[in-house]
Amino acid sequence: GAGVSQTPSNKVTEKGKYVELRCDPISGHTALYWYRQSLGQGPEFLIYFQGTGAADDSGLPNDRFFAVRPEGSVSTLKIQRTERGDSAVYLCASSPSGSGYEQYFGPGTRLTVT
Amino acid sequence: SQQGEEDPQALSIQEGENATMNCSYKTSINNLQWYRQNSGRGLVHLILIRSNEREKHSGRLRVTLDTSKKSSSLLITASRAADTASYFCATDAGSSYKLIFGSGTRLLVRP
Repeated sequence: GAGVSQTPSNKVTEKGKYVELRCDPISGHTALYWYRQSLGQGPEFLIYFQGTGAADDSGLPNDRFFAVRPEGSVSTLKIQRTERGDSAVYLCASSPSGSGYEQYFGPGTRLTVT
Repeated sequence: SQQGEEDPQALSIQEGENATMNCSYKTSINNLQWYRQNSGRGLVHLILIRSNEREKHSGRLRVTLDTSKKSSSLLITASRAADTASYFCATDAGSSYKLIFGSGTRLLVRP
């Protein structure tokens, strides 16, 4: 079956602009996660959805970052007033539920803020 | 913040040799997972070991877990050039859903 997909694969934007990154999880997976990975580092947790609600958004770095999952499937990560420090690969993952399962990762969106 | 630390940071071996990577973590866990990442993009799940397990095998992979030392190791036997990748351990830090990754081991398998 289809895996987790993310669009776009690459996004270049100017400092101060708004961006949206999209994630399509595996069908039927109730849990969805966003991570951010900087060069040479492991992924860092941003937010976790169980169904439509954000069960844990403790990893969002500040209020410029926001994510939604209105129908419990597709999720959008939104970044306002982008800064050069936001440049990273944004990874989305899903799992059958939030507890004790492996997470299936998408290919990521490489965001570059110039 | 990173929970785990992998050791070594980089490893270069000849095809056919075994590769061992270690991971240490800080807090209690429900499970620990190992992932592989090629070319800095999507991660592929390799193996999950639960806190009440000490060893697990999957094909050429062998994972051990020592909760008293808060450490795990990943052994890849009879390595192949295609095993060249970055390998990350990830723990749930007791949350059962949020993964906390180490900084990874970059493995190069020379043909």
